[in-house]
Amino acid sequence: DGGITQSPKYLFRKEGQNVTLSCEQNLNHDAMYWYRQDPGQGLRLIYYSQIVNDFQKGDIAEGYSVSREKKESFPLTVTSAQKNPTAFYLCASAPGGGTEAFFGQGTRLTVV
Amino acid sequence: AQSVSQHNHHVILSEAASLELGCNYSYGGTVNLFWYVQYPGQHLQLLLKYFSGDPLVKGIKGFEAEFIKSKFSFNLRKPSVQWSDTAEYFCAVNSNNAGNMLTFGGGTRLMVKP
Repeated sequence: DGGITQSPKYLFRKEGQNVTLSCEQNLNHDAMYWYRQDPGQGLRLIYYSQIVNDFQKGDIAEGYSVSREKKESFPLTVTSAQKNPTAFYLCASAPGGGTEAFFGQGTRLTVV
Repeated sequence: AQSVSQHNHHVILSEAASLELGCNYSYGGTVNLFWYVQYPGQHLQLLLKYFSGDPLVKGIKGFEAEFIKSKFSFNLRKPSVQWSDTAEYFCAVNSNNAGNMLTFGGGTRLMVKP
């Protein structure tokens, strides 16, 4: 089946630890995005990538890092520098910039 | 900075009532506009999109939206809502002036009472 796979669905980490969220797509899309969803705040863009080996910061990139070494993969690392990491994280991909995005099921990260 | 505003955070309607959800954006250039829906426990799905042409676009499940360029608006409408429309609705905008970032509004949580 074609689509976007985020894993795991639920993730628990201790405060001070870095954690990497996986996002894989087999849609052959060029663009990929990471969003954070918090109640009442909608989706806020963390990072996006329009092509392999290139990515740009979104509105709330501080405390996060990404890589785009392969077209199908766009992992997000939540570092210990992120002040409030507990949230629902959504990955999306699109055929190109400006086109509609397709979303994964999300990863709920809880930092204790 | 670019932004997308959704004015209604929570809306409660009875079945068969008409719906209009507001969406305004703050940047120029060529824009592509989207409405997404997130049903409880499900992932975001595209309701409709506008790239060019007729400013009144029709989407799935009887939804439609009108792009009014002079008002920087892209409001979502449905003539008669159903209980199954209970969900959170997000407006999103993509502009070539903003490096093709896809920016979302804060969302509107709709509850339809049976």
